[in-house]
Amino acid sequence: QVHLVESGGGVVQPGTSLRLSCAASGFTFSSCAMHWVRQAPGKGLEWVAVIWYDGSKKYSADSLKGRFTISRDNSKNMLYLDMSSLRVEDTAVYYCAKDWYGDPNWFDPWGQGTLVTVSS
Amino acid sequence: EIVLTQSPTTLSLSPGERATLSCRASQSVGNYLAWYQQKPGQAPTLVIYNASKRATGIPPRFSGSGSGTDFTLTISSLEPEDFAVYYCLQRGNWPPMYTFGQGTKLEIK
Repeated sequence: QVHLVESGGGVVQPGTSLRLSCAASGFTFSSCAMHWVRQAPGKGLEWVAVIWYDGSKKYSADSLKGRFTISRDNSKNMLYLDMSSLRVEDTAVYYCAKDWYGDPNWFDPWGQGTLVTVSS
Repeated sequence: EIVLTQSPTTLSLSPGERATLSCRASQSVGNYLAWYQQKPGQAPTLVIYNASKRATGIPPRFSGSGSGTDFTLTISSLEPEDFAVYYCLQRGNWPPMYTFGQGTKLEIK
């Protein structure tokens, strides 16, 4: 079955960078678009970014102002999120999620998430 | 940017009762709306997509309706495992931007 495992979270200082990873298994990774979604502690869900099955296109939430970059390595079944100029308000659990198709559609299931804490 | 507003914020009901959750969009999203369920400490799971289609494995007591700007998730007879937070999600056709509602907490009365 589909298995998504996020990693790379931790405590970082404001203004620094961090790379999150998502290891995918149980499906043909190279055929599916992939998403990142985040959830601040005790808050709601916020969609972060999507990348096409082949990495040819990607979109991210306008609110991020280009600080986050989604990428993938289909040879390794890996999804990444590069986060820069981190702010306290970026503190959240970050989930990766599998799209149903190669281009953006609905997404499910999700991984269990990795917690990023931005604090001085 | 499309804004989704969910109501109520909290819904207190007893098992066996009917739950009606609302999601209103600031502009038409057609039927590009989904509902997710999130239980404490867990990742969300898809319940309804394209406004009214049940996701795989979702029991028939869950139903979705609506189009355009007004959507409803109905749980016909609540089971103990249904108490959770529910989020609606809309997806834009192009560009493919997504927006979640703020969530409705369905709690046991």
